[in-house]
Amino acid sequence: GQQLNQSPQSMFIQEGEDVSMNCTSSSIFNTWLWYKQDPGEGPVLLIALYKAGELTSNGRLTAQFGITRKDSFLNISASIPSDVGIYFCAGFNAGKSTFGDGTTLTVKP
Amino acid sequence: EAGVAQSPRYKIIEKRQSVAFWCNPISGHATLYWYQQILGQGPKLLIQFQNNGVVDDSQLPKDRFSAERLKGVDSTLKIQPAKLEDSAVYLCASSLDKNLDRGSNFGPGTRLTVT
Repeated sequence: GQQLNQSPQSMFIQEGEDVSMNCTSSSIFNTWLWYKQDPGEGPVLLIALYKAGELTSNGRLTAQFGITRKDSFLNISASIPSDVGIYFCAGFNAGKSTFGDGTTLTVKP
Repeated sequence: EAGVAQSPRYKIIEKRQSVAFWCNPISGHATLYWYQQILGQGPKLLIQFQNNGVVDDSQLPKDRFSAERLKGVDSTLKIQPAKLEDSAVYLCASSLDKNLDRGSNFGPGTRLTVT
């Protein structure tokens, strides 16, 4: 089946720093989604990308749909303590979803 | 707008026992999903319903897992008999249509521990 490689697996950063994480796959996807999951909660949708090359922002978050349709990137600018959590990418193709294994973000005040 | 409701939030059972989880989607959402999330991994789709019909159950271990969505609203997921490797969080999500990104919401999940 389709697999997503999400990296890095974890990040420890200082408050105020910028963060970058990415997802890559050998398969092509038509839609890329980025989620954040807090402990004991379900994932919450952050950004949806529908077109190759698309760059979309949501506040301090910016995500891009790779030109090859096999990758996507999420950037967080000026991190704050509440950015702590696990970030997941998900790729969609033919109605089927594949999730990455997440990037755990820790922000030190 | 109320979110996706799931119960119970936690369940501990012994292997070979049976367990059932319940999900109440957001009102008006035609599509309902059950995902399994093993610790340290991303969610994996088990089954997807469109109204009360199954759209995709290709990754559902049908020898022990079953799910139903009576009347196209609430849904239950059952495991019988449970194995140690079934320990995971079971997430329910719903969306307006078959596209998970369109107004989709995940519930808080049920954490299952099989001993």
